[in-house]
Amino acid sequence: EVRLLESGGGLVQPGGSLRLSCVASGFTFRNYALGWVRQAPGKGLEWVSTIFGSGGRTYYADSVKGRFTISRDNSKNTISLQMNSLRADDTATYYCAKDHDRGVVGSILWYLDSWGQGTLVTVSS
Amino acid sequence: SYVLTQPPSVSVAPGQTARITCGGDNIGAKSVHWYRQMPGQAPVLVVHSDSDRPSGIPDRFAGSNSGNTATLTISRVEAGDEADYYCQVWDGSTDHLYVFGSGTTLTV
Repeated sequence: EVRLLESGGGLVQPGGSLRLSCVASGFTFRNYALGWVRQAPGKGLEWVSTIFGSGGRTYYADSVKGRFTISRDNSKNTISLQMNSLRADDTATYYCAKDHDRGVVGSILWYLDSWGQGTLVTVSS
Repeated sequence: SYVLTQPPSVSVAPGQTARITCGGDNIGAKSVHWYRQMPGQAPVLVVHSDSDRPSGIPDRFAGSNSGNTATLTISRVEAGDEADYYCQVWDGSTDHLYVFGSGTTLTV
């Protein structure tokens, strides 16, 4: 059974930083792209960032580019999201999610077949 | 960037058929995926690649995609199907790997 467990959420002041982590189990970790999707309170889903299974390629939504950094440690089955220069509109539940494949440049098929339960990030003074 | 349009809400009586649409420019040329999100829970994939169901998803859930509209059809709707439903595609014109629709709340 695939399991994704997020941690690291909490309350942070505008301009501050926070680091989210996601520990995975139940599948061959290095063989799959993983990423983060967020959901502001009462709003829809917004993709944030993805990292290939190899860790060699990363992608970001325009709204977080330059502020957030995704990384992974395949020896610890963990991905992380370093969030800097946080703003009020970054307030959301952040879900760790697994793609159906490892991530291939030029692939046209991207979907998320497993999700964690999420961790809440609140940016407020 | 690519925009997906969903109706905010769909209402259906128990036992009837619900159809949730997802509109986009020539969306029929893309692969469309659907997620269900129950209140307070994480999303769950219910249909991928237009019409394929992951294991464990009942065959009451079916997807189709043509022209400018993709549709998630839920047959014999049950009270437990009440949830938010999101469509998603890959935006080939940008580096945005996952583009989500705005979501549709299904009320039974």
